[in-house]
Amino acid sequence: GQQVMQIPQYQHVQEGEDFTTYCNSSTTLSNIQWYKQRPGGHPVFLIQLVKSGEVKKQKRLTFQFGEAKKNSSLHITATQTTDVGTYFCAVYSGGSNYKLTFGKGTLLTVNP
Amino acid sequence: DGGITQSPKYLFRKEGQNVTLSCEQNLNHDAMYWYRQDPGQGLRLIYYSQIVNDFQKGDIAEGYSVSREKKESFPLTVTSAQKNPTAFYLCASSIGLGMVFGGDNSPLHFGNGTRLTVT
Repeated sequence: GQQVMQIPQYQHVQEGEDFTTYCNSSTTLSNIQWYKQRPGGHPVFLIQLVKSGEVKKQKRLTFQFGEAKKNSSLHITATQTTDVGTYFCAVYSGGSNYKLTFGKGTLLTVNP
Repeated sequence: DGGITQSPKYLFRKEGQNVTLSCEQNLNHDAMYWYRQDPGQGLRLIYYSQIVNDFQKGDIAEGYSVSREKKESFPLTVTSAQKNPTAFYLCASSIGLGMVFGGDNSPLHFGNGTRLTVT
């Protein structure tokens, strides 16, 4: 099935620093989704990228989809303590298969 | 409000016992999923169902069973055959239908999870 590699596994930053997590696939993706899971909580959908080279922004979060649709990134500008959590990318298998496979996630901690 | 309800939040069982985790949704979603989460392992798919009375094995189905008799419900049974059942279990649902729009896939809505401890 579809697999994605997500790096880094952990990232600790000082409040105000930027943060980026990356997802990479060996095959071309039809789309990619990003989720955030707060400590002790459940994953919450953030965004979906579909088009080659697509860039979407949500306040301080910037999501990019690579030109070849094999990689994606999530960048947070000027992190805040509310950004703490694990960020996952996720991809669907092809065809009529509704199976969604998640990357292992990047745990972000922010030192105030 | 529409949503997904998982119960209970915490569950404790003795080794060798089967246990069933509940998942109910009132979002009128066709597809439902069970994931297992362990520290450093991300979310791993156990079973999923695209429609009532149909379900497929995910990546780690051994030792688990499910049923989908109603659209709203997708209970997961952790059997005594599951070697390492202690974990955080997450149920999710989505509209399903694969590609909802051109290139889009429907996002997953998750329940709050059940933390199962087996001793």
